[in-house]
Amino acid sequence: QQPVQSPQAVILREGEDAVINCSSSKALYSVHWYRQKHGEAPVFLMILLKGGEQKGHEKISASFNEKKQQSSLYLTASQLSYSGTYFCGTEGTGANNLFFGTGTRLTVIP
Amino acid sequence: GAVVSQHPSWVICKSGTSVKIECRSLDFQATTMFWYRQFPKQSLMLMATSNEGSKATYEQGVEKDKFLINHASLTLSTLTVTSAHPEDSSFYICSARVASQPQHFGDGTRLSIL
Repeated sequence: QQPVQSPQAVILREGEDAVINCSSSKALYSVHWYRQKHGEAPVFLMILLKGGEQKGHEKISASFNEKKQQSSLYLTASQLSYSGTYFCGTEGTGANNLFFGTGTRLTVIP
Repeated sequence: GAVVSQHPSWVICKSGTSVKIECRSLDFQATTMFWYRQFPKQSLMLMATSNEGSKATYEQGVEKDKFLINHASLTLSTLTVTSAHPEDSSFYICSARVASQPQHFGDGTRLSIL
């Protein structure tokens, strides 16, 4: 049930953009995105509900295509603080738990 | 808001010891709490889902007699690793949630079994 994320890792220079994809084999009700820094707990970024919505906050936004069972996270004009491992968490209809994706390690360099 | 406290932050103990980890939602009442395990450079793997006053639901492959979960109130869940062995060494993280709101995570417990 684990969603698959791509790419596995990416290195960016400050100011560059990145897209992280999350794909599930199951029908989804919602997708949650988290960022985890080394040795710390994941921090919630945003949640997208069924309906194909797109959300954004500051320079980080995301989309959710429920028909394709996919979500994408968009990072624009990356900052050093964006470095970390990004996980999507997927929730099925009627479920109350999340299954976390394989993770994408993002490194932003000066 | 939505603060989850997890204690202890790290534990080092001998093989065969039982270890209890606490997870508390400090400023909200969580309808559900979750326990995850994370090995280095890997994703979070859901171990069990816990609702207050009822038995936890364990994921496939997780031994319920080894990982005892008690959810005594809407703000407290505990995970006890019984008779821990070196292969149980990992980063254990809890999260808490209200209805369909996002999960909020504790800071995690790093468990090392010698």
